[in-house]
Amino acid sequence: GESVGLHLPTLSVQEGDNSIINCAYSNSASDYFIWYKQESGKGPQFIIDIRSNMDKRQGQRVTVLLNKTVKHLSLQIAATQPGDSAVYFCAENKGGNKLVFGAGTILRVKS
Amino acid sequence: EAEVAQSPRYKITEKSQAVAFWCDPISGHATLYWYRQILGQGPELLVQFQDESVVDDSQLPKDRFSAERLKGVDSTLKIQPAELGDSAMYLCASSLRPRFDSPLHFGNGTRLTVT
Repeated sequence: GESVGLHLPTLSVQEGDNSIINCAYSNSASDYFIWYKQESGKGPQFIIDIRSNMDKRQGQRVTVLLNKTVKHLSLQIAATQPGDSAVYFCAENKGGNKLVFGAGTILRVKS
Repeated sequence: EAEVAQSPRYKITEKSQAVAFWCDPISGHATLYWYRQILGQGPELLVQFQDESVVDDSQLPKDRFSAERLKGVDSTLKIQPAELGDSAMYLCASSLRPRFDSPLHFGNGTRLTVT
């Protein structure tokens, strides 16, 4: 069935380095994607979103890239900090604001 | 910044018992969602409300789960009877409207353990 999934379950990076978290989706008709950050014991927190009519969108220290040809989404975090340690989920909006989440990637930042 | 409030924070119950979770969305948010998150997985939508009406409960196990939002503000999710497989984090979220340009804001969830 339709699904949103992640390539890497765990990513370890050195503080100050850039992080790249990847996500694959299977529904080529999807037109809206969101990245969420979830810290231990908390609910998911909105980071950044992108519509399918865009290839790239930038926020504060974060960039989301969308490659519709290969149905691939990535989240780039610049100058990764210890506070970025969390689980990151990509989610697909299936209409009516119903989100389908991927399994998540754990980001560990080493000081 | 306004937050989605959920209680209790943790709940331990024995199987076959009833359990209820409460959610108070951000003021003015017409759309409310209940998600279930099993450890190590992403959240899965259980039910979506628009004001007091259910707009999607296709993934809600209706033989044991029920949800209501009587006055279109706060909401309650109930499980009766609880089963071991119901152990999970139950997350409530709200958005201003059911549109892609209205981001979901999540509460910090209720961690349910069924023994």
